[in-house]
Amino acid sequence: DAKTTQPPSMDCAEGRAANLPCNHSTISGNEYVYWYRQIHSQGPQYIIHGLKNNETNEMASLIITEDRKSSTLILPHATLRDTAVYYCIVRFYNTDKLIFGTGTRLQVFP
Amino acid sequence: SQTIHQWPATLVQPVGSPLSLECTVEGTSNPNLYWYRQAAGRGLQLLFYSVGIGQISSEVPQNLSASRPQDRQFILSSKKLLLSDSGFYLCAWSGSAGEDEQYFGPGTRLTVT
Repeated sequence: DAKTTQPPSMDCAEGRAANLPCNHSTISGNEYVYWYRQIHSQGPQYIIHGLKNNETNEMASLIITEDRKSSTLILPHATLRDTAVYYCIVRFYNTDKLIFGTGTRLQVFP
Repeated sequence: SQTIHQWPATLVQPVGSPLSLECTVEGTSNPNLYWYRQAAGRGLQLLFYSVGIGQISSEVPQNLSASRPQDRQFILSSKKLLLSDSGFYLCAWSGSAGEDEQYFGPGTRLTVT
């Protein structure tokens, strides 16, 4: 079973920041938080991952709370092409398994 | 750069017929390979993963099987398809380091009629 809880859907205006929350209250010390997204009828795309510290790359930022029980994925300037299902996944270091939940369907509107 | 291929892109098969889906990876060696299935409106379910040639781990009991005859080739098979086998099948690869992300192929949409 997935160890994360996400809202089923969110809306965001184009050009605004999209903040996608994720709860992972049972996360253990060696587990990473990964984010993927899936655009309709395509394979999932890796976005970002982190352990304790906040992370940023060219796609997004990942903010992890100090107690590590929740995190937020931030798309700083959402575009229509960011419309997708976003999956938050807790993954134990050195294991190859990704357990996908049902994710958050983000709709970016003009 | 690395690329992952899957074929066919779509497939319609009758109940009871056999199945063979193929996945190949280019530009890397000794990848970890994975098969996922996504039923309509659902999340992804890990079916099989492989850390090397001939090494297959099954995550879910079912009438599907997987094989890895070559380092960068992963095959998903069934002897007799069921209606419940319909779905979107995705192959993925990752490096062998523990933190490596997985890269997904374009998928095969299977409809069993």
